[in-house]
Amino acid sequence: AQSVTQLDSQVPVFEEAPVELRCNYSSSVSVYLFWYVQYPNQGLQLLLKYLSGSTLVKGINGFEAEFNKSQTSFHLRKPSVHISDTAEYFCAVSESPNDYKLSFGAGTTVTVRA
Amino acid sequence: DTAVSQTPKYLVTQMGNDKSIKCEQNLGHDTMYWYKQDSKKFLKIMFSYNNKELIINETVPNRFSPKSPDKAHLNLHINSLELGDSAVYFCASSQPPGQGNTEAFFGQGTRLTVV
Repeated sequence: AQSVTQLDSQVPVFEEAPVELRCNYSSSVSVYLFWYVQYPNQGLQLLLKYLSGSTLVKGINGFEAEFNKSQTSFHLRKPSVHISDTAEYFCAVSESPNDYKLSFGAGTTVTVRA
Repeated sequence: DTAVSQTPKYLVTQMGNDKSIKCEQNLGHDTMYWYKQDSKKFLKIMFSYNNKELIINETVPNRFSPKSPDKAHLNLHINSLELGDSAVYFCASSQPPGQGNTEAFFGQGTRLTVV
C-alpha cells in the first residue's frame, strides 16, 4: 500500500517570494504522481502530473515539480507567488494500472501575504 | 459545460435522516469515485465504480451505499446520518491510464453538515 507524506502542514510566504512544498511517497511499484490545488470553498483542480518521461514537469499558474525516484519525492515549486496562490495543496499518488484511485497527502496550506 | 457535477452543493440535515448526493460526468469516462474530505481537509477514497460495477470499497460503513444507474452517474446514498458524517464529499471520474486520459477530474464537492 502506498502512503503520501506532505512534510509541511502550513507554509506562510510573502508575495513574489519562492515557495516549495514537499511531498514524499512510499510505494514498491511504479506510480503516477499529482499535485492538486483547492482554493477556499472550491473543488480540486489539477496543477500538474507526472506519468512518465521527463522528471521535471510544468503545470498551470507557473508551478513545476520534480520527480525523484531515488528519494521517492515529488516536490512542488513556484519561483514567485501571488496573493491568489493562497490555497490548500495536495500531493497524490496512484499506483493502479487500471484507474486513478488516488492516495492523498494531508495537504499543505499556503498563505501568501503582501 | 461542467465536466463533473454534483448536487446539492450544500446539505444540512438532522441526525438519523437519509440523504442522497448525486454526481454526473459528461466526459465519457468509465470509472467514477467518491472521496470524503474531513474537517482537517484529509481526503480519502470511499468507493470506485467501473462501468457501473463496484471495484473499490474502502471499509466504509454500510450506511453508505453508492448506486450507479449508468456509467455517467454515481450517486451516494447515506442512511441514518451521524454527526461524524459531516464532511465534504467529492465525486471524480477518469479513464484507465493509457486510454487517452491522464488524470481524474473532480466535482466541486458537496458540503454535508449533520446537526
